[in-house]
Amino acid sequence: DTEVTQTPKHLVMGMTNKKSLKCEQHMGHRAMYWYKQKAKKPPELMFVYSYEKLSINESVPSRFSPECPNSSLLNLHLHALQPEDSALYLCASSQDTRGRGNQPQHFGDGTRLSIL
Amino acid sequence: AQSVTQLGSHVSVSEGALVLLRCNYSSSVPPYLFWYVQYPNQGLQLLLKYTSAATLVKGINGFEAEFKKSETSFHLTKPSAHMSDAAEYFCAVSRNYGGSQGNLIFGKGTKLSVKP
Repeated sequence: DTEVTQTPKHLVMGMTNKKSLKCEQHMGHRAMYWYKQKAKKPPELMFVYSYEKLSINESVPSRFSPECPNSSLLNLHLHALQPEDSALYLCASSQDTRGRGNQPQHFGDGTRLSIL
Repeated sequence: AQSVTQLGSHVSVSEGALVLLRCNYSSSVPPYLFWYVQYPNQGLQLLLKYTSAATLVKGINGFEAEFKKSETSFHLTKPSAHMSDAAEYFCAVSRNYGGSQGNLIFGKGTKLSVKP
């Protein structure tokens, strides 16, 4: 069982829909991450939240909108997505980002997103 | 800038044989290195991490890795492969991003197949 919970596990949506992905952790971590992973590729970082503030946006299109309502929750709001956005979206958390970089990230099982 | 290179996109071994997955890093500062495993339809699970405390690092499921500064390598090994080891393996280095630590740079991954 993973300590980072992502819902839903699968999502199919049209290009005009609005949907949200949810991620939750109860490990007391203060850094949370969104990654996008295409088939047979490594995860690509999208966003980093540190202490509920957005600290890194890797030039992600505005049709992806992250939100961190509190230290345990991370959402990714989706609107007007394109077929090429179909991928596995992974959430991760770590103790924080203020250390020396030796803290591992804990990943959820992801949401598999398909855009019709 | 930090980076990692995984040699071999696909490695195939027989059950009971030695597993060797190769990772070389590039870093201008002492690196923090990680190995993650990803089983089909799952997220990434931390196998082990190097944080400069010891050059030989033991991880879960019988895996270990040795940090060799002279060779800039962090290869993953397991003495005897099991069918359940079949998965995708990612080597990663922690990135220093504008003073914020802990963001991961992944290698391209190595798919391990285990033959009966």
